[in-house]
This record gives sequence, structure tokens and C-alpha cells, in this order.
Amino acid sequence: EADIYQTPRYLVIGTGKKITLECSQTMGHDKMYWYQQDPGMELHLIHYSYGVNSTEKGDLSSESTVSRIRTEHFPLTLESARPSHTSQYLCASTYSGVNTEAFFGQGTRLTVV
Amino acid sequence: AQSVTQLGSHVSVSEGALVLLRCNYSSSVPPYLFWYVQYPNQGLQLLLKYTSAATLVKGINGFEAEFKKSETSFHLTKPSAHMSDAAEYFCAVSEGFQKLVFGTGTRLLVSP
Repeated sequence: EADIYQTPRYLVIGTGKKITLECSQTMGHDKMYWYQQDPGMELHLIHYSYGVNSTEKGDLSSESTVSRIRTEHFPLTLESARPSHTSQYLCASTYSGVNTEAFFGQGTRLTVV
Repeated sequence: AQSVTQLGSHVSVSEGALVLLRCNYSSSVPPYLFWYVQYPNQGLQLLLKYTSAATLVKGINGFEAEFKKSETSFHLTKPSAHMSDAAEYFCAVSEGFQKLVFGTGTRLLVSP
């Protein structure tokens, strides 16, 4: 079992609301990632971090923001949710070495109505 | 930049039949390759990874994959499909310290 946790698992929220998706890992991993997954399965990297106070935008442009104040915590925030943000969001983490696999949380399924 | 291509967004097999999921990679340096499985409403779970120690890699649940440099492939196989194998499968590549890049995924359907 991977020690990486996402909350909430499911969230239905109204348009315009501010939301924060939580991701925490207890493995001491330096690298953390957020992926957005379409209904058709494809994973899109939207944010990543190589360590505390490091955040980078991923390959897919996203209106969300992230922060990395503590090694174990990598929350994702949407200031004003829209229906186009409806998706599954997956958090992952890895060690900093080479050939290191990613450990994934169970995901947050977000629905904006 | 590294990339992976998964041929076939859906693969259907009968229970007991051979499973073959295709993955081709592009990398300018020796790659690190991974296969992940995703069950409904779950995150991704590592099936196996290529570490360059052996070209045939065995993973969990009876899956294995063979690294073929000449074909730039890392196809996933299982001799006999079970109903419980129905899931989405993702191939991924990384180069050294770079982030993982995932393929578009293949949905495996298993019929009785």
C-alpha cells in the first residue's frame, strides 16, 4: 500500500466556489505531481514540484494553483470552479533518484455544477 | 523529449486468452519504462518496471513485459486473462531524473 492520500475522494460543488484538493504523502518523497484525467482515461500533468518551495506548471495548462510549503503536503486550489474543471485529479509522488516509480493517491473526482 | 505510444485505446479478449498490450517509446537515452494499472475509481498501481537488469520483466498478477531496444517497444503480456484483469493500463517512460510521461492508456475488456 502506497502512503499517499487524497481528500476528498468525491466533490460536487457549485460554479464560482473556491476549492482545495488535498494531497499528503508520508514517504518523504521530494517530487510530487498533479495529473488531470479525462473521462477517456488520458493523464495530463498539470503541476509538479521537486521539493519545498518548488512548483512548476505541467504540460497541460490549468487554472489551478499549487503550493509546497511542507515536503509531505501538495494541495491544489481552484479559486473559482467552473464546469470545465469537472474531472478526476490524481496526485503522485516519487523519490528523487533515477528509475523511481510514481506512487499514486486514489484520486479526487470533482464535479462542478 | 521522451514519449510513449500505446496502440489501441481498447483491447478485448476472452477469459483465458492471451493478453497483449502494446507500448512503443521514444527516448534519446536509455529509458526507464513502467506499466501501471488503474481499476475503476482508483489511482494508478505499478505493475512492473524496466531497470535494464533484464529485458524480460515480471510483474504482479502474472503480467510481464519485454524490453526490445531494436523495436523501441515494451509490450505487456499475460498468458491467460482473468475477468479481474479488466482495467485501464498505462505505459510510462522517464529519462534519468526527468518526470514520468504517460501514454494515453489502453482499456482491457475481458469477456466470459
